[in-house]
Formats: sequence, structure tokens, C-alpha cells
Amino acid sequence: TQLLEQSPQFLSIQEGENLTVYCNSSSVFSSLQWYRQEPGEGPVLLVTVVTGGEVKKLKRLTFQFGDARKDSSLHITAAQPGDTGLYLCAGVKYGNKLVFGAGTILRVKS
Amino acid sequence: KAGVTQTPRYLIKTRGQQVTLSCSPISGHRSVSWYQQTPGQGLQFLFEYFSETQRNKGNFPGRFSGRQFSNSRSEMNVSTLELGDSALYLCASSEQRYNEQFFGPGTRLTVL
Repeated sequence: TQLLEQSPQFLSIQEGENLTVYCNSSSVFSSLQWYRQEPGEGPVLLVTVVTGGEVKKLKRLTFQFGDARKDSSLHITAAQPGDTGLYLCAGVKYGNKLVFGAGTILRVKS
Repeated sequence: KAGVTQTPRYLIKTRGQQVTLSCSPISGHRSVSWYQQTPGQGLQFLFEYFSETQRNKGNFPGRFSGRQFSNSRSEMNVSTLELGDSALYLCASSEQRYNEQFFGPGTRLTVL
């Protein structure tokens, strides 16, 4: 049973389109992280959200942590081919244990 | 600061052999975690070391082991390799505050 459910599993879109990736759980997390991984490399931390309801923006990427601290979303505006990769969410449980979602593979076509 | 380094980057072994992978964390990071990543299972947690002690362990058989040295460098060992052990093995170090993981580039292990 996956503690953190990510959806969709795979997304293929055209350059310029918007998209949202979801990360859901029945568990409460003290904080939540988003990573992006490109082929042949390790995941790279994009952002950490800590407060319920928090919204963080990183250029065209907007991250939101749910009010109840059980879910999160990543919204990309005007996607570009450079956004292609595997997006992983990871929840930090109380006690500092990390739980990763299965990931969303994003492909942006030019 | 230099990032997390892992050696070797690529490794080919045969069934039954054993392998040791090495990881050097970011300077000042005392926590080192290891993960196995495969297309079918995704990113799976192996174990975490902090100040030379194993602090957390994932659900892997005893063939997978690790250790951490006083300088925070870490090694993981897989004995009696099986075909299913073929994967990307990732090491990550952390400063602990939010347990943010800083990953190395990984070691691609192929078992023939």
C-alpha cells in the first residue's frame, strides 16, 4: 500500500500547456517536499512546504500544501521541454521519517 | 559546497557475487540514506545512518547492509547478488531540519 499516492502517473503535454500533479495521503505530515529527477541523475529538491495551506512559487511552478497537511499539489504554468522529468513528492512524518510517492513522469513536447 | 558523490557510477556483476558502493555526503551533513530505484517499484528506502549508527531501515533482506564512518562517508554492501538487484542505487545526505534529501548521481548496478 502506497502511503503517498501521486497522480497522474504519466503526463504527456505540448509546450505551453498548464498541468497539475497531485500528491495525496490519509496520513498527516509535518512537511512535504517535491523533487525532480532527470534521466541518469539523482532527484533534485525543488521545494519544502511546512505550514498547512502554504503556497510557494518558483518561477512557473506553484506548490501548495493542504490545510490538513495530508496532500499537496504542483502546478506548472506554460510548460517547457526543460520541465520534462520525474516529479516525486515526499512526506515527512513526525519523527523525521520520509515517505516517497511513486512519482509522475512528465513529458513536454515542443 | 561540493555535492554528494557516489562511486562507482556504473557496475556490472554476475549472480552470486557481492558489491560495495560508496557515498561521500555534503560536508557537514551527518545523515546518509540509501535508496533503490527501479522502474517497477520506484524509489524505495533501504536504510539511514546518522553518526555511524543505523537509525532507520527499510523492508529489504539482510543481504543489503551498510555502514557509516566517522567522517560521515557511507558504504552499502549487497551480498549474493540476484538478477532483481539490478537498479539505480541512490545515496542522499541531509542536514536533518526537514530531512531534505540531497541526492548523489547514483550507481547503476546491472546483475547478469
